[in-house]
Amino acid sequence: EDQVTQSPEALRLQEGESSSLNCSYTVSGLRGLFWYRQDPGKGPEFLFTLYSAGEEKEKERLKATLTKKESFLHITAPKPEDSATYLCAVQSGANSKLTFGKGITLSVRP
Amino acid sequence: DSGVTQTPKHLITATGQRVTLRCSPRSGDLSVYWYQQSLDQGLQFLIQYYNGEERAKGNILERFSAQQFPDLHSELNLSSLELGDSALYFCASSVEGRYGTEAFFGQGTRLTVV
Repeated sequence: EDQVTQSPEALRLQEGESSSLNCSYTVSGLRGLFWYRQDPGKGPEFLFTLYSAGEEKEKERLKATLTKKESFLHITAPKPEDSATYLCAVQSGANSKLTFGKGITLSVRP
Repeated sequence: DSGVTQTPKHLITATGQRVTLRCSPRSGDLSVYWYQQSLDQGLQFLIQYYNGEERAKGNILERFSAQQFPDLHSELNLSSLELGDSALYFCASSVEGRYGTEAFFGQGTRLTVV
C-alpha cells in the first residue's frame, strides 16, 4: 500500500527565512509525485508534478525536487501570503488515485 | 479557479438522513474523483469514475455511493449519516496526459451532521 509521510507537521518562518518541506514516500512503481497548496476551507490547488528522480520544477518562490525516496519543497524568501498547508501526494501503478500525506502547515510571520 | 464546480458549498443535516453532493468536472475531463477530508485523517480517496464507469474504489463506506452521468457530472450519495461523516468532501477531475495525471480540485462541500 502506498504511504506518504510529510514533515514537519507545522513550520513557522519569519518573512524572508528560506526553508524546506519534506515528503517521504513508499510506493510500488511511482507514476507521479504531486504538490498541492491548500488554504483553510478551500480545495487543494495544484502546484507541481514530478515524475522521475532528479527532476526539479520551479514556480515563483517554490522549487520542488524528487529523489527515489522523498521530495522536497523549497521555499525561498517566503512572504506571509505563502502561509498555507502544503500537501504531497503520490500516484502509483495502474491506478489513477492519489495517496496524500497529512500536510505541512506553514505560517510566515511578517 | 480550478474549473471544477461543487454544490452545495455547505450542508447541515441530521443523523440518519441522506444527502447528495454534486460535482461538475472541468470541460473535457473524463475522470472524476471523490475525496473526504477530516481533521484527523487528511485527504482520503473514496472513488473514481471515468467516462461514466467506476474505475477505482478506496475507503468508501457501503452507506456511500456515487455515479457519473453521460454529461460527465458526478454525484456522491451519503446515506444513514452519522456524526463521524462530518467532513469536507472534495471532487477532482483530471486529464490523462502523456506523462501522467494532473488532478484539479473543486472548492469542496462542507458536510456537518448534527
